[in-house]
Amino acid sequence: QLQLQESGPGLVKPSETLSLTCTVSGGSISSSSYYWGWIRQPPGKGLEWIGSIYYSGSTYYNPSLKSRVTISVDTSKNQFSLKLSSVTAADTAVYYCARQALPIVVGWSWFDPWGQGTLVTVSS
Amino acid sequence: SYELTQPPSVSVSPGQTARITCSGDALPKQYAYWYQQKPGQAPVLVIYKDSERPSGIPERFSGSSSGTTVTLTISGVQAEDEADYYCQSADSSGTYPLYVFGTGTKVTVL
Repeated sequence: QLQLQESGPGLVKPSETLSLTCTVSGGSISSSSYYWGWIRQPPGKGLEWIGSIYYSGSTYYNPSLKSRVTISVDTSKNQFSLKLSSVTAADTAVYYCARQALPIVVGWSWFDPWGQGTLVTVSS
Repeated sequence: SYELTQPPSVSVSPGQTARITCSGDALPKQYAYWYQQKPGQAPVLVIYKDSERPSGIPERFSGSSSGTTVTLTISGVQAEDEADYYCQSADSSGTYPLYVFGTGTKVTVL
């Protein structure tokens, strides 16, 4: 059974860079059938897609965050990572990683399963 | 930016039927997906491609689509179905797809 686990600091100072890693177990991140995505959820609010990566390194990001986001993959460790720069209090959220179905047609894609999520607080 | 609109809340008695709508201009061209999120837990996919049910999801969960609105129906609601529900779709009008989630609906079982 595929499992995903987020890890990284729970507290980041304003203007610094948030860094998280998602470790995939029970399956290979190098599968040609999936992308791998990051989604976040501010406390008490809804879900926001951050971006996604293919095992080859191909990425695409939410335009609203694109200037600050970098997603990378390490197939040797079965991990993918998120970096979000110049963070502010508005970036405080639970960050989830998830497997994303490879879209046969542009946009035909969903997220399943998800990691348990990790709360990142931006505060000095 | 592309938006998916859901009612903030739906209340239903046990055994009755709950219907949650999600409206968006691109829904006639894009599939919708539905997630259930219980407090303190990660979202779980309950419907994909408008009406397909993943393995392990009870048959009481179903989905449908009509024009710019998709609907998640929970038939014979049980107490364990109390949760937040989010629709998700995509805006493919740009160079790359933009994956968007709905505003979320809190289902309360009375």
